[in-house]
Amino acid sequence: RKEVEQDPGPFNVPEGATVAFNCTYSNSASQSFFWYRQDCRKEPKLLMSVYSSGNEDGRFTAQLNRASQYISLLIRDSKLSDSATYLCVVNMLTGGFKTIFGAGTRLFVKA
Amino acid sequence: NAGVTQTPKFRVLKTGQSMTLLCAQDMNHEYMYWYRQDPGMGLRLIHYSVGEGTTAKGEVPDGYNVSRLKKQNFLLGLESAAPSQTSVYFCASSFSTTGNWEQYFGPGTRLTVT
Repeated sequence: RKEVEQDPGPFNVPEGATVAFNCTYSNSASQSFFWYRQDCRKEPKLLMSVYSSGNEDGRFTAQLNRASQYISLLIRDSKLSDSATYLCVVNMLTGGFKTIFGAGTRLFVKA
Repeated sequence: NAGVTQTPKFRVLKTGQSMTLLCAQDMNHEYMYWYRQDPGMGLRLIHYSVGEGTTAKGEVPDGYNVSRLKKQNFLLGLESAAPSQTSVYFCASSFSTTGNWEQYFGPGTRLTVT
């Protein structure tokens, strides 16, 4: 089992739709969580950190469920510019530093 | 600020050749990382450094070496390139804070080994 698993995708949605991504992690020692966005042939860039209480940034909402070991990202009112790959990232300290990236979920937003 | 820069952007090597990828950051970050990204897979950590003069192995270190002689630079070396090392290589850096470690990435180096 992969340490961080994401929805395989791709997700194809019309503009204005709401789309949700899920990510599960296997190590309960995981400490911090992020969603990164990666455009085609570009580097990953931080979209938002994920806090235990949940957090929102405009159209984006991230949530963490430590008991079930999953995080989610909700995008409301999708824009064409949201088309990208979304990476779930988990940091942990288990005898040393470790960052695990999910394989990513590709999102296509269509007009 | 330039952030994180990588050189070169593209490179084609023949099997057995060597090369060094250079990563530089101007954000005074303590931590630096080298990743590789292959189709259908997440970024995988090759080596990382928690400060000048220190390096450590990541998930896939075989076939690579690194050095961190200066805080702002992190070099990744391939001593004898193999086709399996064809990939996109990303360098990243972050502050050494406990808890949240947001990583800032360079633009990547596309390496093809024939």
